[in-house]
Amino acid sequence: GQQLNQSPQSMFIQEGEDVSMNCTSSSIFNTWLWYKQDPGEGPVLLIALYKAGELTSNGRLTAQFGITRKDSFLNISASIPSDVGIYFCAGLGVLQGAQKLVFGQGTRLTINP
Amino acid sequence: EAGVAQSPRYKIIEKRQSVAFWCNPISGHATLYWYQQILGQGPKLLIQFQNNGVVDDSQLPKDRFSAERLKGVDSTLKIQPAKLEDSAVYLCASSFSGRSYGYTFGSGTRLTVV
Repeated sequence: GQQLNQSPQSMFIQEGEDVSMNCTSSSIFNTWLWYKQDPGEGPVLLIALYKAGELTSNGRLTAQFGITRKDSFLNISASIPSDVGIYFCAGLGVLQGAQKLVFGQGTRLTINP
Repeated sequence: EAGVAQSPRYKIIEKRQSVAFWCNPISGHATLYWYQQILGQGPKLLIQFQNNGVVDDSQLPKDRFSAERLKGVDSTLKIQPAKLEDSAVYLCASSFSGRSYGYTFGSGTRLTVV
């Protein structure tokens, strides 16, 4: 099935550093979403992007919807220990004739205090 | 607002056995989704309901998986018979109208098939 290519797969950083991750696809999406998943929990929505070129912030998080509608990135500034987890991008669009939400493989973020 | 409720949280079964998962979506959410998340991967959609009708089940292995949402509220997902490769977390999500900003996920059921 359709895959989103998310990178990097994992990151090991020091507390206070900035983080950047991105997602690319061969298909066009109408909406890009970024989720965070903690161990034993379901994904929680962080940011939603609805227009190509849109740049949206949520506290220390900033995400952009690529102009081509085939990519998106997420930045986290001044990381703190509670940012640890797995971050997923997801694209919402019409695939094989139906509206579908497709997830990337995830970026596992580890923070050294 | 209560979240999406799922049960059980964990299940261990032997291959070829049957198993069922239950999901109660957020009140008023017409759209319900079941996702399969294999360890180290992102969630993959298995089936999407709009009220009690199936909107998309193109990635549901219908020879062994079935799902229903009889009254348009809660839903069950069944696997019969289970295979080793079915070991995964099964996530249920709901949304008000199928629009992106309304997706809310439950905590999932972790299935281990031995």
